[in-house]
Parts: sequence; C-alpha cells; structure tokens
Amino acid sequence: EVQLVESGGGLIQPGGSLRLSCAASGFTVSSNYMSWVRQAPGKGLEWLSVIYSGGSTYYADSVKGRFTISRDNSKNTLYLQMNSLRADDTAVYYCARYNWKFDYWGQGTLVTVSS
Amino acid sequence: QSVLTQPPSVSGAPGQRVTISCTGSSSNIGAGYDVHWYQQLPGTAPKLLIYDNSNRPSGVPDRFSGSKSGTSASLAITGLQAEDEADYYCQSYDSSLSGPVVFGGGTKLTVL
Repeated sequence: EVQLVESGGGLIQPGGSLRLSCAASGFTVSSNYMSWVRQAPGKGLEWLSVIYSGGSTYYADSVKGRFTISRDNSKNTLYLQMNSLRADDTAVYYCARYNWKFDYWGQGTLVTVSS
Repeated sequence: QSVLTQPPSVSGAPGQRVTISCTGSSSNIGAGYDVHWYQQLPGTAPKLLIYDNSNRPSGVPDRFSGSKSGTSASLAITGLQAEDEADYYCQSYDSSLSGPVVFGGGTKLTVL
C-alpha cells in the first residue's frame, strides 16, 4: 500500500529555517517524481517544487532560492529545506507523488511562521 | 492569480448535475497537456478524482466525469450527493516559465 507521511512542521519565527520530511512506503522515491504542494489557510493549492527521478529539480518563483527539495534514497524519504521563512509561508505542506498528476498525497504538516 | 481559472463556487440540489470549468492557455491546456482534477473534502488532503482529462481512478464513482476541449476542461458531477460538497481543483502541465505544474484556484461545491 502506498503511503506518504509528512513531519517537521511547527511554529517558527520569521527568518527562520525548517526542514520537512516525507517518509514514503509502498514504492521507491528515487524511481519516481516527487513534489511539494502547500495550502495557506483558506486558500487554494500552490505547487512548490518537484524532483525528478534523474535528480533534476524545479521550483515555483515564490520559493526559488529559499527552499530546496531533496531525497534520501536509503531512507526512502523526501525533504523540503525551507530557509528565510516569511509570514506568507504559513500553510499546510503536502508531499505527493507526481507523474504529471498527483496520484498519492500525504496528510500534510502545518507550518506556522509567526513571532 | 492562478494560471488556470475556475469559478470560485458552484451549487446544486441533491440529484442535480453540476459542471466546473477550468480555463487555461496555449502554454498548458491549449498545448495539449492533460488536465487532472482533485477533490478536497473539508480538513483532508486532496484526492485524485479524474486524470488524463477523463479517466477515473479505481473507486471513484462514475457520477464524476471529465472532458477537455481547446484551452478548457470541465468536471461534471451527476446525481449530486451531500458528500460531494468539497473543494475541487484542476491541474495541468505548463511549458512556460511559471513552472511545470499549474493549479486552478479551486471551486467550492455546495450541495443545497
């Protein structure tokens, strides 16, 4: 059974850093395209980043230069390193398997950026 | 401002049919890229509802259907039920500098 479990969210001050993790089971992260999507309170879905099986990465303009997507093949885990966090980064962050569509999603982890 | 445009809300009575539109441009839907739809029930993660314009994943009722034409796509829900009340999002690939993945702004479906 495919499962994605995010962790690492929490309350962080503006300007701070946080690393989100997404532990996968039922499939191999490194053989798939993986992505992060977020949803601010009361807002729609916003795509953030994708890492392809070959290792190429792409980012939305809103997070380019601040966020970094990566994976640990030995742990079958996807990561999102978030630096220089701002109040408008407050959202639920989802990891999802991406093959031109998002066929599996995690339950999400809440990140709150506030002083 | 989302790259794909959806109506903010639609509504219908139980048993009725509703449609949700998703309008894109020549760099996404109009370029021939597939459209996918997601259903997000309150307080839960999105769930893939329709993929590749008109295909349903296993377990999705055939009351849900999708279509695509030109630079637009549509999601239709027939025999509306109370449990269909949710947010619906379209998504496609985009070849412009905005990034490979684009979403619609979402549509809130209210079952009257």
